[in-house]
Amino acid sequence: DVQLLESGGGLEQPGGSLTLACEASGFKFHIYAMGWVRQAPGKGLEWVAAIGGGGESTYYADSVKGRFSVFRDNSESTLYLQLNSLRADDTAVYYCAKEMSGSYGEIFDSWGQGTLVTVSS
Amino acid sequence: HSALTQPASVSGSPGQSITISCTGTDSDIGAFDRVSWYQQHLGKAPRLILYAVTYRPSGVPVRFSGSKSGNTASLIISGLQTEDEADYYCCSRTDTDNPVFGGGTKLTVL
Repeated sequence: DVQLLESGGGLEQPGGSLTLACEASGFKFHIYAMGWVRQAPGKGLEWVAAIGGGGESTYYADSVKGRFSVFRDNSESTLYLQLNSLRADDTAVYYCAKEMSGSYGEIFDSWGQGTLVTVSS
Repeated sequence: HSALTQPASVSGSPGQSITISCTGTDSDIGAFDRVSWYQQHLGKAPRLILYAVTYRPSGVPVRFSGSKSGNTASLIISGLQTEDEADYYCCSRTDTDNPVFGGGTKLTVL
């Protein structure tokens, strides 16, 4: 079974940084694109970033471009999201999601349980 | 890209059929047959229930189906069951290749 386990969330001050991790198991991690999707409290889903299976290609939502960085360690089957210059509107549950194919897109066939990031002074 | 437009809420009784619409533009839903749908129960992670407009992943009941016409995609749930009560989100590829989600629809089973 596919399992995705996020960690690294917590309380951070505006302007601060956090790094989220997503440990994957149950599938050939290096073959699949992976993504991050967030959900602000009481709000809908927002696509944040994605990365190709090899890690060379990365993609970002305009709302986080230049502040967030997605990367992966295929030897450890782990996906990361580095969040810099955090703002209050970055407060959300961040989900790690597996793409159905090697290409990034809109088909997330497995999701982690999410990790909460709270940005507040 | 702005979020796709979904009704805030829909409701139905057990056994009935309901439809949730998802309206986009010529740059997303209208341009590609690349619409997926997600079900999210309260406090849980989303679950993929449809992709490429009409395809169901393994394990998704056949009562979930999808369609698309122009810039609007639809999720149809036939034979509504109490466990279908959840939030539903559409998601589409866009002409920038980045995906965009809908605002979500709360389904209440009366």
